[in-house]
Amino acid sequence: QSALTQPASVSGSPGQSITISCTGTSSDVGGYNYVSWYQQHPGKAPKLMIYEVSNRPSGVSDRFSGSKSGNTASLTISGLQTEDEADYYCSSYTSSSTLLFGGGTKLTVL
Amino acid sequence: QVQLQESGPGLVKPSETLSLTCAVSGGSISSYYWSWVRQPPGKGLEWIGYIYYSGSTNYNPSLTSRVTISIDTSKNQFSLKLSSVTAADTAVYYCARGLSGRSGGLYFDYWGQGTLVTVSS
Repeated sequence: QSALTQPASVSGSPGQSITISCTGTSSDVGGYNYVSWYQQHPGKAPKLMIYEVSNRPSGVSDRFSGSKSGNTASLTISGLQTEDEADYYCSSYTSSSTLLFGGGTKLTVL
Repeated sequence: QVQLQESGPGLVKPSETLSLTCAVSGGSISSYYWSWVRQPPGKGLEWIGYIYYSGSTNYNPSLTSRVTISIDTSKNQFSLKLSSVTAADTAVYYCARGLSGRSGGLYFDYWGQGTLVTVSS
């Protein structure tokens, strides 16, 4: 199983919006509405930001939103803030009932 | 508030078995998919596997021959054993609580702080 494909890095200025993509196959991202997104600050554990493609856990800002089209899922962060600077990982359930993570995207807020 | 805490040796010799335990507090270990995820230094996340509270397990195909995850509901904890380790198994190991949808899926709402395990002689 290969990791899901994410851009290595994205950047944006405070107040702007950015989108991080996560590309898989019809056996994972495209086959199920079970994509999640995690935020990880340096030296910290990942934090769940989005589950089941577009659902936000309680306490997560509504500036974070998720979507999916075909084999590609996306995480959009609107109104960028300096504290959003972190690594972001997508994950997807697979047809083998296993879990795949993306390679991670480093978000820089300029 | 649910809390997870990993414990175990921080240094393991090559070819030996890595053993970690995750203690769960603030909630019952019943229900949920109790999972292990690792992250090599400077690299991305890798799912290792999970154990359902009933004892059923599911492992990453790339690790399945070396991994065993077990659970002790009486102690509210679950454990990871990874055999025949090499330097490539050096990573921060996280335990996490997994949730699933009606027909599948897996996502993690609570994580431990992580513990670095180094494989070296």
